[in-house]
Amino acid sequence: GQNIDQPTEMTATEGAIVQINCTYQTSGFNGLFWYQQHAGEAPTFLSYNVLDGLEEKGRFSSFLSRSKGYSYLLLKELQMKDSASYLCAVTSSGSARQLTFGSGTQLTVLP
Amino acid sequence: EPEVTQTPSHQVTQMGQEVILRCVPISNHLYFYWYRQILGQKVEFLVSFYNNEISEKSEIFDDQFSVERPDGSNFTLKIRSTKLEDSAMYFCASIPSRAPHEQFFGPGTRLTVL
Repeated sequence: GQNIDQPTEMTATEGAIVQINCTYQTSGFNGLFWYQQHAGEAPTFLSYNVLDGLEEKGRFSSFLSRSKGYSYLLLKELQMKDSASYLCAVTSSGSARQLTFGSGTQLTVLP
Repeated sequence: EPEVTQTPSHQVTQMGQEVILRCVPISNHLYFYWYRQILGQKVEFLVSFYNNEISEKSEIFDDQFSVERPDGSNFTLKIRSTKLEDSAMYFCASIPSRAPHEQFFGPGTRLTVL
């Protein structure tokens, strides 16, 4: 089976940096995704890691350590619009590439 | 930019009724998915579809659920006899190939079962 853990809630201040952690256990790991989800809306893709290391994409970066089953999403220069749920998801090799999601981390950005 | 579309945006139905949720995936995509999200809970995989057949399904996807691609563009999810616990957001998603790739999600259909 697969298990994904991430903190339920985080709070940060506008302009600051926040790191959202995700740990996972899965057989046949094939990739880790981060999605952003605003209330009542669909998940939107942020980043994807399949190899160890850091992937940077503007204000967002994501890190993966496959040996530790660990990833983080780093958000810099926080804006009020970044208040949302951040979903960690994994895919497995041999599967139909469906995503298995964690429960999400609700980030609140305060002025 | 191409996008996944879903209709209706909101469906209200009585318990025991059949509902059909519709999705139009991105035109050159080959793999299609349905996910659901009960209010306040995580996004859960229901079923994947490739080459006109189900490639994988979860425990949630029981005999009450079915999917089909009737005309090469639409991708539908049917719930035969809805239950109260089927109330959720249902998202359709697609990817162009089996290579690891972001999944493109539709805006979702909010199903409310009374």
